[in-house]
Amino acid sequence: GAVVSQHPSWVICKSGTSVKIECRSLDFQATTMFWYRQFPKQSLMLMATSNEGSKATYEQGVEKDKFLINHASLTLSTLTVTSAHPEDSSFYICSAQSAGVVIYNEQFFGPGTRLTVL
Amino acid sequence: GEDVEQSLFLSVREGDSSVINCTYTDSSSTYLYWYKQEPGAGLQLLTYIFSNMDMKQDQRLTVLLNKKDKHLSLRIADTQTGDSAIYFCAEMDGNTGKLIFGQGTTLQVKP
Repeated sequence: GAVVSQHPSWVICKSGTSVKIECRSLDFQATTMFWYRQFPKQSLMLMATSNEGSKATYEQGVEKDKFLINHASLTLSTLTVTSAHPEDSSFYICSAQSAGVVIYNEQFFGPGTRLTVL
Repeated sequence: GEDVEQSLFLSVREGDSSVINCTYTDSSSTYLYWYKQEPGAGLQLLTYIFSNMDMKQDQRLTVLLNKKDKHLSLRIADTQTGDSAIYFCAEMDGNTGKLIFGQGTTLQVKP
């Protein structure tokens, strides 16, 4: 149980285009989803917290107009990187927190999406 | 702000024990976690410890927490080549519920 999927697993795009990444909780409902960014050999940096049916909360320094987050249902959140540039190339990981009883506040992580902007 | 620090690299021989250390600064942390990340993959929760505990053991994994020194360690007994991965320590900010990650420790297990 508690599986989170991401699609696509990798994507290559041209500079200036937009890319959408989906994060789905497959066997549970997630009121809260998180989006992280990870550079090579570095830690995960939280970009934003997404609650179902409300606007995402962005971390300091993250451009909300560039990284559009939508959490339209209890099982799906999307991250759209608008007008992508090479510096946006990174590994994007989502996580989901169950809407049910959570004993140790676990976040279930997706497998990540590798974005390469040429 | 909150900070989590880890050593970057550890190399051990197969069958030995591995100890990965982590320090954190947030005294309001409620839970502390250890995650494993294999190449090109997401994070897998290995174990967690509540902040009022000193130790937790789960099969080959032992977590020690020194709350006074804000020091957390993960011991892997009988380390196997399949344990080679990056291990992240993370604390949950007691005020916001957000996870703060360390830089990750790359564990290399030599046969």
